[in-house]
Amino acid sequence: RKEVEQDPGPFNVPEGATVAFNCTYSNSASQSFFWYRQDCRKEPKLLMSVYSSGNEDGRFTAQLNRASQYISLLIRDSKLSDSATYLCVVKEGFTGFQKLVFGTGTRLLVSP
Amino acid sequence: GAVVSQHPSWVICKSGTSVKIECRSLDFQATTMFWYRQFPKQSLMLMATSNEGSKATYEQGVEKDKFLINHASLTLSTLTVTSAHPEDSSFYICSAPRDRGYNEQFFGPGTRLTVL
Repeated sequence: RKEVEQDPGPFNVPEGATVAFNCTYSNSASQSFFWYRQDCRKEPKLLMSVYSSGNEDGRFTAQLNRASQYISLLIRDSKLSDSATYLCVVKEGFTGFQKLVFGTGTRLLVSP
Repeated sequence: GAVVSQHPSWVICKSGTSVKIECRSLDFQATTMFWYRQFPKQSLMLMATSNEGSKATYEQGVEKDKFLINHASLTLSTLTVTSAHPEDSSFYICSAPRDRGYNEQFFGPGTRLTVL
């Protein structure tokens, strides 16, 4: 079983649509959670951290369910520029020995 | 924001040669840097953790004698792929956390290695 699992997609949606991505992680001791965005042949960039209480940043809303080991990302009013691969990322380990574990990513294609 | 650079951005080499990739933190010091590898349509896989002034920590299955890591200063880590073979062709990315909590990592732009 992969440590971080995501539906690879692609998710094809029209502009203005709302789309949701899900992610599950296997290590119950994982400490922190993030969504990164990666454009084709580019490096990943942090989109947002994910907090237990849920958090929102503009059109993006992230949720975490520790009991189910489940993370989600909701994108409202999709823009063409949202087309990218969204990586679910989990931080594991202890101070001095921490590492990020990446999911395979979910590809989003927003069309006009 | 913090910037991490990588050099070269792409390299093509013959099988059996060695390739060195540099990762630099440009406006902050990084005692730790991470090296990842990404094959097409796959996720980033952590290869090793580079520690300034000490030996790197390699992930299971990564050959330390093949992927040599040197972190000689607080702003530079190098990854050398020794005796490269076609199966080593991949996208290599480094990252560096700016804070001690590793809550945000800044990634280099990546190096695309093609071994003929």
